[in-house]
Amino acid sequence: DAGITQSPRHKVTETGTPVTLRCHQTENHRYMYWYRQDPGHGLRLIHYSYGVKDTDKGEVSDGYSVSRSKTEDFLLTLESATSSQTSVYFCAIRGTERADTQYFGPGTRLTVL
Amino acid sequence: QKEVEQNSGPLSVPEGAIASLNCTYSDRGSQSFFWYRQYSGKSPELIMFIYSNGDKEDGRFTAQLNKASQYVSLLIRDSQPSDSATYLCAVKGPGTASKLTFGTGTRLQVTL
Repeated sequence: DAGITQSPRHKVTETGTPVTLRCHQTENHRYMYWYRQDPGHGLRLIHYSYGVKDTDKGEVSDGYSVSRSKTEDFLLTLESATSSQTSVYFCAIRGTERADTQYFGPGTRLTVL
Repeated sequence: QKEVEQNSGPLSVPEGAIASLNCTYSDRGSQSFFWYRQYSGKSPELIMFIYSNGDKEDGRFTAQLNKASQYVSLLIRDSQPSDSATYLCAVKGPGTASKLTFGTGTRLQVTL
């Protein structure tokens, strides 16, 4: 499982509240990614990080921010959650055996009421 | 817009048969191609990747790439009920960030 954990695994929140999801890895990977997965859309990249304090936007970044203050942790924040952000969120790391491969964490199921 | 297209299925094959999963992509600059397996309620699991035209075999799995036709496929030989899952095709474009574009997946059902 590439040493990736995500927390919380499930969360129910209300519209307008801030939410932070955490991705933690234990193998010192430089690149980390946040995706969301929705029926009919597949996996879509939200943000990614290529090092401590180095982040960039993905395909669906509006309404999300990220931070990476330590190599092992990559945080995804929904500043003011909306119902359209109800989704399953996956964190991924870039593997080291071949630069392009990505390995996924177990996911967080977020419901915004 | 970069796109990766897959038939959503379900693709139903009998146990022991060959399952053929297909994927097309729009960006001719795409460099690397991946197949992930995802069981219901679980995270995607990398099962194959391919970079060069032709076939790549790993156990019961064979990935096939044709860059001229912008087509990548996954063959699963001797299909087992445990192969029943959704298979996601992913494509990496140029650049160093390894950003992947995913198809919406094909659901495979292996019947007894």
